[in-house]
Order: sequence, then C-alpha cells, then structure tokens
Amino acid sequence: KQEVTQIPAALSVPEGENLVLNCSFTDSAIYNLQWFRQDPGKGLTSLLLIQSSQREQTSGRLNASLDKSSGRSTLYIAASQPGDSATYLCAVYVDQAGTALIFGKGTTLSVSS
Amino acid sequence: AAGVIQSPRHLIKEKRETATLKCYPIPRHDTVYWYQQGPGQDPQFLISFYEKMQSDKGSIPDRFSAQQFSDYHSELNMSSLELGDSALYFCASSSAPGLLDEQFFGPGTRLTVL
Repeated sequence: KQEVTQIPAALSVPEGENLVLNCSFTDSAIYNLQWFRQDPGKGLTSLLLIQSSQREQTSGRLNASLDKSSGRSTLYIAASQPGDSATYLCAVYVDQAGTALIFGKGTTLSVSS
Repeated sequence: AAGVIQSPRHLIKEKRETATLKCYPIPRHDTVYWYQQGPGQDPQFLISFYEKMQSDKGSIPDRFSAQQFSDYHSELNMSSLELGDSALYFCASSSAPGLLDEQFFGPGTRLTVL
C-alpha cells in the first residue's frame, strides 16, 4: 500500500531564507506527483505537477524535483516570504489505486518577517 | 479562468440527518473526485466518476453515495450523519481519468455535524 511521508511536519524560518520540503513515497510505481498549498481552513491550491517521466518542474520561486527510483520529491522555495506561510501537501497518483491521489500529512511552514 | 465550484460552502446538520453536497467541475472536465479532510488530517479519497460512471472507490462509508450527472456535475449524498463526518469535503476535476492530467480542487464544503 502506498504511503506518503512529509518531513518536517512543521518548519519556521525567517523571511528571505531558501528552504526545502521533503516528500517520500513507499511505492515507486507512481504516475504523477503533485504539490499543493493549503491555507488554514481553506481549499487546496495546486503548485506544481511532475509527471513520472520528468525530473523537475519550476514555477516562479518554486522548484519541485522527483526521483522515482528513490521514492523522493523535494519542493524548493527560494527567498521565502511571510505570504508563503501555509501547509504544503505532497500527493501521488498511484497505478494500483486507480486515479486517486494519496496525500502526505503536509509540512506547515511559517515565515516570519 | 473558471474553477471548480462547490455548494454549499458551509453546512450544519444534526446527527442522523442527511446532507447533499454539490460539485460543478471546470468546463470540459469529465472526471470528478471527492475527498474528505478531517480536522488536522490529510485529504482522504472517497470516490471518483468518469463520464458519469464510477471509476474508483476509496474509503467512502456505505452511508454515503454519489453520482455524476449528464452535465458532469456531481453530488455526494450523506445519510445518517455522525459526529465523525464533520470535515472539509473537497471536489476535484480533471479532463481525463488521472494518468497525465492534473486534478483541480474546489474550495471545499465545510460540514459540521452537531
């Protein structure tokens, strides 16, 4: 059964720092991996989607990498800002589970000014 | 750009009552997914539909049912509500069943069962 783990569970950094959020999954037979942002009590905003054939995707200050063989993905946030404070969720599409997304429990990021 | 629409945004029900949540996918999206996110939890997949047929099923209780209509909107029907059903319910849509296409999430319906 696919399991998705995100480390750390929480992270506090001062404004301007570059940071890395980690995501690992137990079954490397994934199709895609998607990173989301969730503000407290709010919906899920898709940040980046990496297809299984890709190794990374970039959007603005965000860069996500994927290493299927090791079952890992990282989300790199450059020059963090207080507005980046949110929970970041990693989710994978798994063949055996059909089309469902399997989520990690997220990393809650707090960026102080 | 049009997004996924969910209604209502907030719903308060008593135990043992029923609730119906609605989801309107992004235009030209034919696949709809339902997820449940309990307090402090990660979203859990409930059920999905492709072209009005159930395509995948997750941890959806027998008290819940769902369907997708001819206009591709979907409804999640919840009966005999329990306190533990209090959660944020998300609908997502995509333009093909999963493999390469991104799921776009709606703002969610917050259900509170008293």
